[in-house]
Amino acid sequence: QSVLTQPPSVSTAPGQKVTISCSGSSSNIGNNYVSWYQQLPGTAPKLLIYDNDRRPSGIPDRFSGSKSGTSATLGITGLQTGDEADYHCGTWDSSLSTVVFGGGTKLTVL
Amino acid sequence: QVQLQESGPGLVKPSETLSLICAVSGYSISSGYYWGWIRQPPGKGLEWIASIFHSGITYYNPSLKSRVTISVDTSMNQLSLKLSSVTAADTAVYHCARQQITLVRGDSPKNPFDYWGQGARVTVSS
Repeated sequence: QSVLTQPPSVSTAPGQKVTISCSGSSSNIGNNYVSWYQQLPGTAPKLLIYDNDRRPSGIPDRFSGSKSGTSATLGITGLQTGDEADYHCGTWDSSLSTVVFGGGTKLTVL
Repeated sequence: QVQLQESGPGLVKPSETLSLICAVSGYSISSGYYWGWIRQPPGKGLEWIASIFHSGITYYNPSLKSRVTISVDTSMNQLSLKLSSVTAADTAVYHCARQQITLVRGDSPKNPFDYWGQGARVTVSS
């Protein structure tokens, strides 16, 4: 059971937009920065978003992040089949003194 | 270009100690950053294990702390992970990763992981 809650899967059509939610509590998302990772099949996770809404160099602006209260959201526009992957949210939990992650969301682009 | 490469036995017997090495290239560990270990059981999400600064400051996941040792060897530019008394629940892909320096927090174990190794698949079975 992960500390952060994500939907197990989402699906949408190419060219469309999708949002993936990540729900936590005041001890984690509510008072710490959120990051998002993309994990393509058979590969290591890749940092997509950090500090809630910042993109590392080389990440296209099709990917965006936001945070409100104890929830965070990853948005992806102009979906491509190459975006099919598992997406993980992560943050620090001040009560547990640990890095915590969500269970991951599998994105299918039909 | 920072690169990380995990290595170690792919099969460990129950009750024994799992030992992994992460070789870092393209950056000197002694220059800074926190470095961590994260694992992913089959079909499940990510689980943070521990992080270490080049000076030896360590942070552990409390749920694993009693069984985990993380260390750095700056002369070899590598970090290591030891997990004792393993069970089938420790079967996972183990990744090492670097924790980004941010403008807000500088070097911190709270920071996101910006470079990852491909992972070492470890199975615990007799």
